[in-house]
Amino acid sequence: GAGVSQSPSNKVTEKGKDVELRCDPISGHTALYWYRQSLGQGLEFLIYFQGNSAPDKSGLPSDRFSAERTGGSVSTLTIQRTQQEDSAVYLCAIPQAPGEKLFFGSGTQLSVL
Amino acid sequence: DQQVKQNSPSLSVQEGRISILNCDYTNSMFDYFLWYKKYPAEGPTFLISISSIKDKNEDGRFTVFLNKSAKHLSLHIVPSQPGDSAVYFCAAEHGSSNTGKLIFGQGTTLQVKP
Repeated sequence: GAGVSQSPSNKVTEKGKDVELRCDPISGHTALYWYRQSLGQGLEFLIYFQGNSAPDKSGLPSDRFSAERTGGSVSTLTIQRTQQEDSAVYLCAIPQAPGEKLFFGSGTQLSVL
Repeated sequence: DQQVKQNSPSLSVQEGRISILNCDYTNSMFDYFLWYKKYPAEGPTFLISISSIKDKNEDGRFTVFLNKSAKHLSLHIVPSQPGDSAVYFCAAEHGSSNTGKLIFGQGTTLQVKP
């Protein structure tokens, strides 16, 4: 979507490597979410940022996953020592307006070989 | 624990007929429900929503029905068009969470045949 830019659009990596996924939302949104869609699965919540509050990390599947949001804008999701089960589409989302429904980026397709 | 379930992975209908996509949930604290549509290589896009104080919401060809006692909602598309072919996700929000975090189902792939 035009309001959220994600990069790269596709990433192929070898098992055991680290990857960094980027989400660049249009400015002014204090809330930002990461989800992922694994093959045949629904959209799985990963992490939620809201302003200066501590992020809700309850959806991160393991300690190999981490995310940060610097300056209240760009967010990066880092996966260390990638495994094949990490292969999925990783989606970033922001509220369309404060308190409104989520607007998703086009996602990063991650393939771990 | 899958709090939002879409038990039909796929659905195929003929153009012009009705498509009915179903969704069940287990958490009675959910008070807002949404449907998203997703095309390949694109992010999900919002389609229609319903608050728990209503049992029906209509927007053009799309209608969402909510049965709170059964913890069930459905999306009706009529008439179905080939361009409606996509993956449909239902989602729910816990009203008191105040985070906007959505819990999604597994998705149903709809194919509308010309």
